[in-house]
Amino acid sequence: EAGVTQFPSHSVIEKGQTVTLRCDPISGHDNLYWYRRVMGKEIKFLLHFVKESKQDESGMPNNRFLAERTGGTYSTLKVQPAELEDSGVYFCASSDTPGLSSGNTIYFGEGSWLTVV
Amino acid sequence: KNEVEQSPQNLTAQEGEFITINCSYSVGISALHWLQQHPGGGIVSLFMLSSGKKKHGRLIATINIQEKHSSLHITASHPRDSAVYICAVRSAGGTSYGKLTFGQGTILTVHP
Repeated sequence: EAGVTQFPSHSVIEKGQTVTLRCDPISGHDNLYWYRRVMGKEIKFLLHFVKESKQDESGMPNNRFLAERTGGTYSTLKVQPAELEDSGVYFCASSDTPGLSSGNTIYFGEGSWLTVV
Repeated sequence: KNEVEQSPQNLTAQEGEFITINCSYSVGISALHWLQQHPGGGIVSLFMLSSGKKKHGRLIATINIQEKHSSLHITASHPRDSAVYICAVRSAGGTSYGKLTFGQGTILTVHP
């Protein structure tokens, strides 16, 4: 079974440009999460999708960040326009329905490393 | 001060040593995760705890809810255990299962 996959693995863009990160969760997982780690800081929660709906987007830093999950499958996280402080690692994770025996585990992707120069 | 504090931040050990990483948190929680990240790699969930103790191979995780403290132990450490170990908590009453608050991580290096 394929795990959580993220694309691109690395991206270098100039300040002011747009970047779109993609996450493919484990097939059948309704819950999809985005997190990010900026240099020297702890990982922080960004938002949570249940299927195509945003359950919680309290961690989104500002309106330059837009997350979508059309059709409840893969998700994209767009940063437009990118700023220097957006550099970091963006992790995606997915989980099954809480309460199911498989729903207690959160599966993480390998992260998308974003550098804004 | 972060809601989740880990200690130590860096840990160096010789192969075979017993290792303990600590996590203290300041909020009420419904679950605590221990995660592992190898250099350049993704994050792997090791344990999810809400009480007591769990064991998987050479790894043991314990939690004391009253003291708001958890420990991750590695017995007979091996160089392949070298990684960043991250503690993360889910606040009590939260509706988002994966809305976690993370510690800074502990960088573990095990020398042969």
